[in-house]
Amino acid sequence: NAGVTQTPKFQVLKTGQSMTLQCAQDMNHEYMSWYRQDPGMGLRLIHYSVGAGITDQGEVPNGYNVSRSTTEDFPLRLLSAAPSQTSVYFCASSQGWMNTEAFFGQGTRLTVV
Amino acid sequence: TQLLEQSPQFLSIQEGENLTVYCNSSSVFSSLQWYRQEPGEGPVLLVTVVTGGEVKKLKRLTFQFGDARKDSSLHITAAQPGDTGLYLCAGEGLAGGTSYGKLTFGQGTILTVHP
Repeated sequence: NAGVTQTPKFQVLKTGQSMTLQCAQDMNHEYMSWYRQDPGMGLRLIHYSVGAGITDQGEVPNGYNVSRSTTEDFPLRLLSAAPSQTSVYFCASSQGWMNTEAFFGQGTRLTVV
Repeated sequence: TQLLEQSPQFLSIQEGENLTVYCNSSSVFSSLQWYRQEPGEGPVLLVTVVTGGEVKKLKRLTFQFGDARKDSSLHITAAQPGDTGLYLCAGEGLAGGTSYGKLTFGQGTILTVHP
């Protein structure tokens, strides 16, 4: 099983450019989330989804959009990249609504110049 | 201000030493999870503690959930170089509610075990 697959693994953007980070899972998990990881701050929740067609904001949603048209895919869109969005982005999926393991992708390292 | 305060942020020890990592909050969580992350990879779950006062052991790793479900600790006995990595605590279900897959993370502890 592939688990959670994120693409691309690395990306460099210029300020103001837009892009989509892809996330796909093959475990039929209902719950999916996007986090960003910055040094000394752990992982912070950007957006999450409890099923196809249902998304909501997390702790740091500004500058990001998501959609969930299928159970498998949960793309994250950067509307107009800013240097403050330089970070490592992780997508995660989980099966249940509580006390279940979150499976993470390998991450996308994004640099905005 | 972090909801989950993890300490220490850096730990450098010699092989064979014992260590404890703490994860503290002023808020109640329904459960606490501990993850380990290797460079270039995503976090991988080590354990979930659910009940106040619960203790779980995973070989040389001992995890404890505080009685009030506001804090947790990870103790490693006789650390080995293979234990080197980033350790993250994560809370589910803030204020005892439902998480729906959402996690609140601590800042992480970078552990280096020297041979």
